[in-house]
Amino acid sequence: NAGVMQNPRHLVRRRGQEARLRCSPMKGHSHVYWYRQLPEEGLKFMVYLQKENIIDESGMPKERFSAEFPKEGPSILRIQQVVRGDSAAYFCASSPRQGSTVYGDTFGSGTRLTVV
Amino acid sequence: DQQVKQNSPSLSVQEGRISILNCDYTNSMFDYFLWYKKYPAEGPTFLISISSIKDKNEDGRFTVFLNKSAKHLSLHIVPSQPGDSAVYFCAASANAGGTSYGKLTFGQGTILTVHP
Repeated sequence: NAGVMQNPRHLVRRRGQEARLRCSPMKGHSHVYWYRQLPEEGLKFMVYLQKENIIDESGMPKERFSAEFPKEGPSILRIQQVVRGDSAAYFCASSPRQGSTVYGDTFGSGTRLTVV
Repeated sequence: DQQVKQNSPSLSVQEGRISILNCDYTNSMFDYFLWYKKYPAEGPTFLISISSIKDKNEDGRFTVFLNKSAKHLSLHIVPSQPGDSAVYFCAASANAGGTSYGKLTFGQGTILTVHP
């Protein structure tokens, strides 16, 4: 019973390149949340998606960042023209319903993006 | 604006003793609180949660206490074990009203070290 799968685990990009981060939720989960953890900080909410819909993107930077969760396939977090400040760990969490239940959301192991 | 704060960056305890991790919040709309444990290079793992209608929830060695009037919660681990050494994050969500979509607001984390 696979958990939340994120790939790649590590991603190195040069400034100005594009980064694509993938998240496959747990089987049966149709709700996906993306969080970002900057060094020495806690996780910060970025975006909440359901299949084919962006529900809440209030935590997404206004430029260069986008997310999708197509009908088929994983959720994608896309960062265009990366800058050094984008270096962080990006975590995806999935849930079978909206909101964290008494069992909490299930997180993936994250993608560590390094911009050089 | 840090709505969830963990003011102790680190805590060191002896094996077998009690570990107490603290968390304060400012947003009175938060009605659900969770604790996550995180090892390096892994995603957060859900530990225990508490609804705002309760003041205590217990699960094995882990107990969470909530003081709504003080906007404070704590996680007690008794007895502490070396395997408990990790970063612990407090998180909160505002589920009532259906406008927060279950997104979590995290504290900065507390590094717990349990010495044998």
